[in-house]
Amino acid sequence: GAVVSQHPSWVICKSGTSVKIECRSLDFQATTMFWYRQFPKQSLMLMATSNEGSKATYEQGVEKDKFLINHASLTLSTLTVTSAHPEDSSFYICSATTPGNTIYFGEGSWLTVV
Amino acid sequence: DAKTTQPPSMDCAEGRAANLPCNHSTISGNEYVYWYRQIHSQGPQYIIHGLKNNETNEMASLIITEDRKSSTLILPHATLRDTAVYYCIVRDRNSGNTPLVFGKGTRLSVIA
Repeated sequence: GAVVSQHPSWVICKSGTSVKIECRSLDFQATTMFWYRQFPKQSLMLMATSNEGSKATYEQGVEKDKFLINHASLTLSTLTVTSAHPEDSSFYICSATTPGNTIYFGEGSWLTVV
Repeated sequence: DAKTTQPPSMDCAEGRAANLPCNHSTISGNEYVYWYRQIHSQGPQYIIHGLKNNETNEMASLIITEDRKSSTLILPHATLRDTAVYYCIVRDRNSGNTPLVFGKGTRLSVIA
């Protein structure tokens, strides 16, 4: 199947700082990428839809000024958690849609805010 | 909200077939059935998808009822590494902007 890569796999940051997570489609071009987060023992919750060259669409309750999404190319979308707080600690997962409209996921990124 | 219903958990003996059911009684004509699984602390892994015909690939088989209101994912010879949460999701495959909406899935435990 198609390959989607996330970086970093895990990151620890201090409260109040910002953290950037990258999502790359390695062997296909993705006009649409999605960002999810997952808390322990819960299912994945969709945060936003990222479209190349346009503004992301955020789900209700997700602060767009806190979770900045940039989809500057057909193979890269980034999620920046600004002014991170301990409650932002979570597993963040991206996914990308192939030209055939199948969705593949990255490995996920663990964020711990201390 | 997820449009599917799955049992919260199932056990399967190693080497036996694992049959995971899913109800999607409100599925519409242009929606496909997708199956993903998530092994602990990893991103979800695509398994298989189908519209109305049964499908098979190297990982699993997907059996969809004639009325399309339910389906079954079959892992023919389950191994310990198949222990994961399995998600059944319906999605309009013709729209690349349509995300996958996850329910709670079925936690499959393969037992030696």
